[in-house]
Amino acid sequence: SSELTQDPAVSVALGQTVRITCQGDSLRSYYASWYQQKPGQAPVLVIYGKNNRPSGIPDRFSGSSSGNTASLTITGAQAEDEADYYCNSRDSSGNWVFGGGTKLTVL
Amino acid sequence: EVQLVQSGAEVKKPGESLKISCKGSGYSFTSYWIGWVRQMPGKGLEWMGIIYPGDSDTRYSPSFQGQVTISADKSISTAYLQWSSLKASDTAMYYCARHRSEQIDYWGQGTLVTVSS
Repeated sequence: SSELTQDPAVSVALGQTVRITCQGDSLRSYYASWYQQKPGQAPVLVIYGKNNRPSGIPDRFSGSSSGNTASLTITGAQAEDEADYYCNSRDSSGNWVFGGGTKLTVL
Repeated sequence: EVQLVQSGAEVKKPGESLKISCKGSGYSFTSYWIGWVRQMPGKGLEWMGIIYPGDSDTRYSPSFQGQVTISADKSISTAYLQWSSLKASDTAMYYCARHRSEQIDYWGQGTLVTVSS
C-alpha cells in the first residue's frame, strides 16, 4: 500500500502566501490532486494534474510537484480559504490514497 | 450538470445490515469509475474502493476489503455501499465520488451513518 504524509496544521496571515505539502512514494509516478473541505461540507477539488484548476476555483490556488513531494500554494490567502486540505493520488496497485489532511488557519 | 445524490442519514444498531446509495446524473454513468470515501467523526478522508459501472469491475482498499461491498446498477445510474453486519466503528460520513484518471472531480453530499445500541 501507499501513504501520503501531510503536516497536520499550517497557518498564514491574511493576504500572505502559504504552501501545503504532501509526501509519498506514489507521487514519483502520479500527480497529486488537492481537495478543500470546510466544516459540514463535502470536499471540493481545487487542483489536479500538473497544475490545473477546475472551473470556479480562484487562480490564487496553484500546484507543483518535485520528486516525492507535491505542493499546494495559495498566493494571497483569504479568510474564506480557511479549511482542511487533503492530497490524493493513485498508487501502484491501481487504488487511491488520501493524505491525512492539513488544517489551514488564516490569521 | 454532473450531480451525485446520496441517500439519507441512517441510524442502525450493531449487527444490522445496511445499503446506502448514490445516484449519478448529468453524465454517462457507465463511463466513469465511482467510489466511496469514509470520514469518521473529526477525522480525515479514507478511500474505500471504486466500481466501474460499465462492467462492474471493483477494487477495494486493503483496509476495507471484506468489510463492505460496493456495487452498481447501471440501469438506474446508482452505486451502492453495503454492510452485512454493522459495528459501532462504522459510524461515519460516507461520500460517493466520481473518479477520473488522476483526480476525483465530483462528490456526493454525504450520507451520515450512525451505529449505536
